[in-house]
Amino acid sequence: QKEVEQDPGPLSVPEGAIVSLNCTYSNSAFQYFMWYRQYSRKGPELLMYTYSSGNKEDGRFTAQVDKSSKYISLFIRDSQPSDSATYLCAMSALGGYNKLIFGAGTRLAVHP
Amino acid sequence: GAVVSQHPSWVICKSGTSVKIECRSLDFQATTMFWYRQFPKQSLMLMATSNEGSKATHEQGVEKDKFLINHASLTLSTLTVTSAHPEDSSFYICSASRDSGSQETQYFGPGTRLLVL
Repeated sequence: QKEVEQDPGPLSVPEGAIVSLNCTYSNSAFQYFMWYRQYSRKGPELLMYTYSSGNKEDGRFTAQVDKSSKYISLFIRDSQPSDSATYLCAMSALGGYNKLIFGAGTRLAVHP
Repeated sequence: GAVVSQHPSWVICKSGTSVKIECRSLDFQATTMFWYRQFPKQSLMLMATSNEGSKATHEQGVEKDKFLINHASLTLSTLTVTSAHPEDSSFYICSASRDSGSQETQYFGPGTRLLVL
């Protein structure tokens, strides 16, 4: 069993839709949770960074962490074609500066 | 701030040759740098962690003598793929972190695409 599970998709939605991306994990030591966006042939770009459980909002993006269920989510409101990318969840026990375990990534396509 | 660059962005080499990839933190000092490998449609797999001035720590299954890492300064780390073979063809991405603060995270470079013929 992988430490972090993420549905690879692809996920195709119309412009303006609300997108929900999810990851589950098995290691209860994870406390730091990140979402990265990766465009084709580019390095990952940090979108959201949360510590422990709870919600965090930044513009059209909301990250949720439910440690009791070992489940994290990223919501994208009013999705745009420019949001089309692969979204990677990542986790760490010791902090985002330390070893990260990545999910497989979900490919998202937002069509006009 | 927090910009990480990689050079080259892509490289093609013959089987058996060595290839060096540079990773630089442009506007901050990186206490730790990480090297990842990403195969098509797969996630990032950590290869090794390096701290400035000390030996790198390679992940299980990653040959340290094949993937040489040098972290000579707080802004530069290099990955050398020695005696490259076609199965080493991949997307290599580095990241850098500034310090050990709990709210800090890693900043990723744009990646280097390696094709071994």
